[in-house]
Amino acid sequence: QVQLQESGPGLVKPSETLSLTCTVSGGSIGNSYWSWIRQPAGKGLEWIGRVYSSGSSNYNPSLKSRVTMSVDTSNNQFSLKLTSVTAADTAVYYCAKALARQGGFDYWGQGTLVTVSS
Amino acid sequence: QSALTQPPSASGSPGQSVTISCTGTSSDVGGYNYVSWYQQHPGKAPKLIIYEVSKRPSGVPDRFSGSKSGNTASLTVSGLQAEDEADYYCNSYAGSNTVVFGGGTKLTVL
Repeated sequence: QVQLQESGPGLVKPSETLSLTCTVSGGSIGNSYWSWIRQPAGKGLEWIGRVYSSGSSNYNPSLKSRVTMSVDTSNNQFSLKLTSVTAADTAVYYCAKALARQGGFDYWGQGTLVTVSS
Repeated sequence: QSALTQPPSASGSPGQSVTISCTGTSSDVGGYNYVSWYQQHPGKAPKLIIYEVSKRPSGVPDRFSGSKSGNTASLTVSGLQAEDEADYYCNSYAGSNTVVFGGGTKLTVL
């Protein structure tokens, strides 16, 4: 049974960089697509982007200029960096595994709240 | 890339059936058979209940079913139970290696 766990600072200052890591256990990070998805309080889900185990990545066009994702296969982890954050980036951030290249997320982390505030 | 359109709310009595729609365009829902649905209870992570339009992951009751016609996908919950009360989100492949979510529907069991 694959398990995912997000980790990282819960508070980030405006204009700084949000950095999160997702640790995968119970399975290999290889040969799968791994995504970051966020949810502001009381609002819907927003796909941020994904990284393949080879390191190739794709991002939501609305966030592309500020997002970088990477994978660390030796530690079974993948990461998210979101630059120049504002209060609008305050949300619960989930990491998730995709069933296939075209999406369908079958395993999710529990989510981690990141607040952007000075 | 715009969010898929879902009704904000839906409701039904125990034992009844309810259908939630998810409307996109020919560039996402209508163009690919990669629509998935998620159930989210308060404070919890979303749970996959339908993928590739109509397939159910192991362990998901067959009360949950999915379909698609043109640019609109639908989730039907039959034999409503109290525990079905939750938020439901659709998701579709949108081409160019991107995916898009719907705005979510709050299902109330009366």
